[in-house]
Amino acid sequence: SQTIHQWPATLVQPVGSPLSLECTVEGTSNPNLYWYRQAAGRGLQLLFYSVGIGQISSEVPQNLSASRPQDRQFILSSKKLLLSDSGFYLCAWIRDGYYGYTFGSGTRLTVV
Amino acid sequence: DAKTTQPPSMDCAEGRAANLPCNHSTISGNEYVYWYRQIHSQGPQYIIHGLKNNETNEMASLIITEDRKSSTLILPHATLRDTAVYYCIVQTGANNLFFGTGTRLTVIP
Repeated sequence: SQTIHQWPATLVQPVGSPLSLECTVEGTSNPNLYWYRQAAGRGLQLLFYSVGIGQISSEVPQNLSASRPQDRQFILSSKKLLLSDSGFYLCAWIRDGYYGYTFGSGTRLTVV
Repeated sequence: DAKTTQPPSMDCAEGRAANLPCNHSTISGNEYVYWYRQIHSQGPQYIIHGLKNNETNEMASLIITEDRKSSTLILPHATLRDTAVYYCIVQTGANNLFFGTGTRLTVIP
């Protein structure tokens, strides 16, 4: 079956510390992968998407970066976290062109 | 991709039908209407999608107006577990879904 794993579920990090969030997908190959962020009380904001290994598109300039070292692995990183990086981070992949996105369970990041 | 407009919140009595409206007046001919919901502290969950015709699955029904400028998601018998934020989205391509803030549905016992 096709599943998506995202970890950790919660994370508290000090300002200026690095960040690495990992997302992996099982049961499919060459998926389109996405990182979204949701600030408290806000809608979802697309941060990055990837259509293949090493291919990353950024939607908004920010303190974050993404990488796709393997077909089913998508990593969100930061060298130095800011307070404004706090939020709920969601990884997603698309099942096919017409059945919508499947989201991971999310990581709640609090930068203190 | 077109943007959508939804009421910020709605209440529904348990066991009754919940009808969630969405306006997408700038939708183009090849854009699908998708509905997702997000239960607190979880990732959004796909519910249903459609292009022109009304659609029904085990979770909900989707009614799309003939001019396609609006749609309604119907949960036929709302339960407490249906309390969530419901997002209406229109899209063609696979990238850059715009979720907006959705409708917060509260099912009341």
